[in-house]
Amino acid sequence: GAGVSQTPSNKVTEKGKYVELRCDPISGHTALYWYRQSLGQGPEFLIYFQGTGAADDSGLPNDRFFAVRPEGSVSTLKIQRTERGDSAVYLCASSLNAGATDTQYFGPGTRLTVL
Amino acid sequence: TQLLEQSPQFLSIQEGENLTVYCNSSSVFSSLQWYRQEPGEGPVLLVTVVTGGEVKKLKRLTFQFGDARKDSSLHITAAQPGDTGLYLCAGEQTGANNLFFGTGTRLTVIP
Repeated sequence: GAGVSQTPSNKVTEKGKYVELRCDPISGHTALYWYRQSLGQGPEFLIYFQGTGAADDSGLPNDRFFAVRPEGSVSTLKIQRTERGDSAVYLCASSLNAGATDTQYFGPGTRLTVL
Repeated sequence: TQLLEQSPQFLSIQEGENLTVYCNSSSVFSSLQWYRQEPGEGPVLLVTVVTGGEVKKLKRLTFQFGDARKDSSLHITAAQPGDTGLYLCAGEQTGANNLFFGTGTRLTVIP
């Protein structure tokens, strides 16, 4: 079956520009997560959705970052006024339900490069 | 700041050797997971451990959760080139749904 997909796979932008990163979760999964992985590091949590609402956005680094999931399926991570320090791989994951041992399935990520 | 520290950060060994990767924290976790990530892909779950002292085996891989649920180890027996990749531990804390990932161990198995 189809796994988590993310588009684009690569995005190169200039400092100060706006970008949108898309995540298509596994069909029927109610929980969706965004993580950011810098080079040589493990992923760091950004935001988690249960259905349409952001249940925990404590990992968003500042107000330039925003994410939506309007219909409880596809999610878009939006970054305004990009900075070079935003360069990283942005990973999306989904799970059937939210819970301590619910398996999170990860997409391949979007590699964002800010010049 | 990452709650989980992994060691070693890099490991290069010959095919057939054994190895152990460690994942340590000063925090308690309700469960701990191990993932493997290959270039250009997202992490893939290998195992979840939930009970202090628990040991799980997956073919040549043995995972152990510390008694106090603050640390874990991954032992690979007779490593093969196909084991090459980035190994990540990740913990969940009570009341939180997100994962706290470790710093990662990049393993290279030389044929």
